[in-house]
Amino acid sequence: GAVVSQHPSRVICKSGTSVKIECRSLDFQATTMFWYRQFPKQSLMLMATSNEGSKATYEQGVEKDKFLINHASLTLSTLTVTSAHPEDSSFYICSASSSGNPYSGANVLTFGAGSRLTVL
Amino acid sequence: GQNIDQPTEMTATEGAIVQINCTYQTSGFNGLFWYQQHAGEAPTFLSYNVLDGLEEKGRFSSFLSRSKGYSYLLLKELQMKDSASYLCAVMDSNYQLIWGAGTKLIIKP
Repeated sequence: GAVVSQHPSRVICKSGTSVKIECRSLDFQATTMFWYRQFPKQSLMLMATSNEGSKATYEQGVEKDKFLINHASLTLSTLTVTSAHPEDSSFYICSASSSGNPYSGANVLTFGAGSRLTVL
Repeated sequence: GQNIDQPTEMTATEGAIVQINCTYQTSGFNGLFWYQQHAGEAPTFLSYNVLDGLEEKGRFSSFLSRSKGYSYLLLKELQMKDSASYLCAVMDSNYQLIWGAGTKLIIKP
C-alpha cells in the first residue's frame, strides 16, 4: 500500500533556531500534500496544503513566514519551522493522497508517522 | 459554521462491542471518514462512507445517515490493541476535511 515517510520523528531544539521536517511519498507521486499540527488531546489542525511546483496554501491564522513549506518534487514536501519558540512545540503530521486527485470524494489520506517537536 | 461532534472518551470491556457516534454539520458533503490514532502515532484509515448504510470491514463497521448528519463506528470483539483515539472527519463541498476532536476509547480487561 501507499507509504508516506516523515523525518525526523523527534526533534529537540533551542528557542530561536529553525527546524526542517521532511515528508516523502515512497511509492507514489503526490502532487498535493497536507501539513497538520496536533496538540495533546486535540484533533488534527490543518496548517497548509502543499502543491508541487507552486506556493502552499495556508489556513487562516497560520503564519506563512514562520512555517515555510516547499514542495519541490512529486515525492517530497518540507516544512521548516523558523525561529522556533516553546509554543511551537507540537506534533506535526504530513499526509498525501495516493488516489491521484486529493480532492476527489473518495480520497484516502496516508499519513506520515509524525514529528514531535520540542522547543526548549 | 462547520462542526463535528463525537464523545470525548468511552470505556468498554475486552471482547465486547462499542459504538462511537459522530454528528456533523458541514457546508456540503463529500464523504465521511473514520481514522484510528494510537497515542503518539499518526492516524490510520479505517473506513469511508459516502452513501447511506452500513459498511462492514472485519471487526469494524461504519454507518452513515446523510439526512440525519450522523455516523457511527462499531467495533466488535474488542481487543486491548483497539485502545486508541477514533477520529471522525467529513469532506465538505470544497473537498476540505473537517476533523472531529476524536474519541478516546479505553479497553479494560
